[in-house]
Amino acid sequence: GIQVEQSPPDLILQEGANSTLRCNFSDSVNNLQWFHQNPWGQLINLFYIPSGTKQNGRLSATTVATERYSLLYISSSQTTDSGVYFCAVSPGGATNKLIFGTGTLLAVQP
Amino acid sequence: NAGVTQTPKFRILKIGQSMTLQCTQDMNHNYMYWYRQDPGMGLKLIYYSVGAGITDKGEVPNGYNVSRSTTEDFPLRLELAAPSQTSVYFCASTRDIFNQPQHFGDGTRLSIL
Repeated sequence: GIQVEQSPPDLILQEGANSTLRCNFSDSVNNLQWFHQNPWGQLINLFYIPSGTKQNGRLSATTVATERYSLLYISSSQTTDSGVYFCAVSPGGATNKLIFGTGTLLAVQP
Repeated sequence: NAGVTQTPKFRILKIGQSMTLQCTQDMNHNYMYWYRQDPGMGLKLIYYSVGAGITDKGEVPNGYNVSRSTTEDFPLRLELAAPSQTSVYFCASTRDIFNQPQHFGDGTRLSIL
């Protein structure tokens, strides 16, 4: 089955710094989502981005489907950005099942 | 618009007990999913449904059962709870499989002791 790898596995930033999180996947996909899991365990849907570039405030994401990777950019990080960031993909078919990566644990220090 | 609602939020079970995790959505979504998340890991698919009356197994279905009698509800049943089922359970839904994100509930944290 499709493999989803995220890097780095963990990251410590000072408040105000920028960061780039990467998601590599091993086969073509028709769905890619980025999630933020906050310290309370809630999964927050950040982007639905099977291809192209999207921006939402300080966050932006780019997926290059032909090269099988996606990037999540966090600019001017804040302590509230702390948590785990997951990339999830669906390989297609009639079900839209998501396959999750193991996540990037981000800690933003004041 | 409540989205995807899961109950309960927390539960402790004894080994061998049974329980049902409830999931309901008010978005008239056809597709619904149950995932589990073990500590330090990503989510894994347990079961899914493509519409009322239709369910199928995901990656880790052993020890679980589901039903889908209505579009809104997709309960997950644990028949004989085992310590290996200690996890956080997430329910999700999506309108269809083309160009639609999945929407997640807040999760149910389950401990089996």
